Amino acid sequence: EVQLLESGGGLVQPGGSLRLSCAASGFTFSSYAMSWVRLAPGKGLEWVSVINSGGEITYYADSVKGRFVVFRENSNSTVHLQMNSLRDDDTAVYYCTRKEGGAHPYDYWGQGALVTVSS
Amino acid sequence: EIVMTQSPATLSVSPGERATLSCRASQSISSNLAWYQQKPGQAPRLLIYDASTRATDVPARFSGSESGTDFTLTISSLQSEDFAVYYCQHYNNWPQTFGQGTKVEIK
Repeated sequence: EVQLLESGGGLVQPGGSLRLSCAASGFTFSSYAMSWVRLAPGKGLEWVSVINSGGEITYYADSVKGRFVVFRENSNSTVHLQMNSLRDDDTAVYYCTRKEGGAHPYDYWGQGALVTVSS
Repeated sequence: EIVMTQSPATLSVSPGERATLSCRASQSISSNLAWYQQKPGQAPRLLIYDASTRATDVPARFSGSESGTDFTLTISSLQSEDFAVYYCQHYNNWPQTFGQGTKVEIK
């Protein structure tokens, strides 16, 4: 059974940092690209970032570029999202999700990790 | 960046009725479009991919279609468990943007 389990969410002050992690199981992790998608209060889904299966290629939404970094550890079947210079509008539930490759949909999603940016 | 525009924002439908949700891409995305369902407090669920292919275990009452850059999700006979927010997303290139969502509510 495919499972994606996010951790690391919490309350952080504006300007602070937080690292989310997503532990994967039930599939060959190193064969899949992994993404982060967020849902802010009262808003719709927003794609945040992606990392390819080997970890060499990453893309980011303009809203987080230069502040967030995605990386993965295929040996541990884990993907991370390092979030720096956090702003109020980064408050959201962050979902970890997988895809077979660029031109494929997101077929499995984690349950999400809540990140609250507030003073 | 490709902009995905969904309409309507809210759709009020009675159980058993048909629901038609629309999604328009600002430029060609071929058939690289997915539909997701999200209920409060839950993760999104993949319903349709490649514009018209149902994902595993998705009931046959859900169907997708396309005409150029216009895409449609149809729920033929709404069940109580179908009241949720529905998002379209393209995966033609990066960033793979979502539409703003359509909330299907009970009339």
